Amino acid sequence: EDKVVQSPLSLVVHEGDTVTLNCSYEVTNFRSLLWYKQEKKAPTFLFMLTSSGIEKKSGRLSSILDKKELFSILNITATQTGDSAVYLCAGGTSYGKLTFGQGTILTVHP
Amino acid sequence: DGGITQSPKYLFRKEGQNVTLSCEQNLNHDAMYWYRQDPGQGLRLIYYSQIVNDFQKGDIAEGYSVSREKKESFPLTVTSAQKNPTAFYLCASSPLAGNSGEQYFGPGTRLTVT
Repeated sequence: EDKVVQSPLSLVVHEGDTVTLNCSYEVTNFRSLLWYKQEKKAPTFLFMLTSSGIEKKSGRLSSILDKKELFSILNITATQTGDSAVYLCAGGTSYGKLTFGQGTILTVHP
Repeated sequence: DGGITQSPKYLFRKEGQNVTLSCEQNLNHDAMYWYRQDPGQGLRLIYYSQIVNDFQKGDIAEGYSVSREKKESFPLTVTSAQKNPTAFYLCASSPLAGNSGEQYFGPGTRLTVT
């Protein structure tokens, strides 16, 4: 059975802090690792990673994948209150199925 | 406006009743998915469909049924056999069947069964 585990489950920081969210996966026929941000309702897409060691960046967010260690991290620098959300990672298979982790709840205090 | 719509936003039902959740997309996407989300948990896959008139069970299909008669529509029926149906239900779609890329999510339906 495919499995994705995220840590920590919750995190409370102050504005300006840097955070690192972790995601480990065991996915048969693995093809991609995806990160989503969920604020209230629908998750919104952040990154998709398919190659090891290549960092993807979008503003203050960045992510990298290690296919040898079956691991990905999501970094957020200079956090803002608007970064408060649930961050989900998912492992994607070659036949289109995503297996999600349980999510990390990030709370950023002013 | 292109996107995925789910209706209704909130749904209340009595135990023992079947209920159907709507999901429509006008993105011309081939694949569609149904997930369930419980408090403090991630998304769990119920059913998915990569082409019209075909669908596959996900990890928690028991007590649910789907149909895919049109490319744009993928309704989910929560049957009375589902033991714990109260949850947040999310529908998603993606452009290419069999491509583990980005999935686009609808706003969700919160189902409460009492």
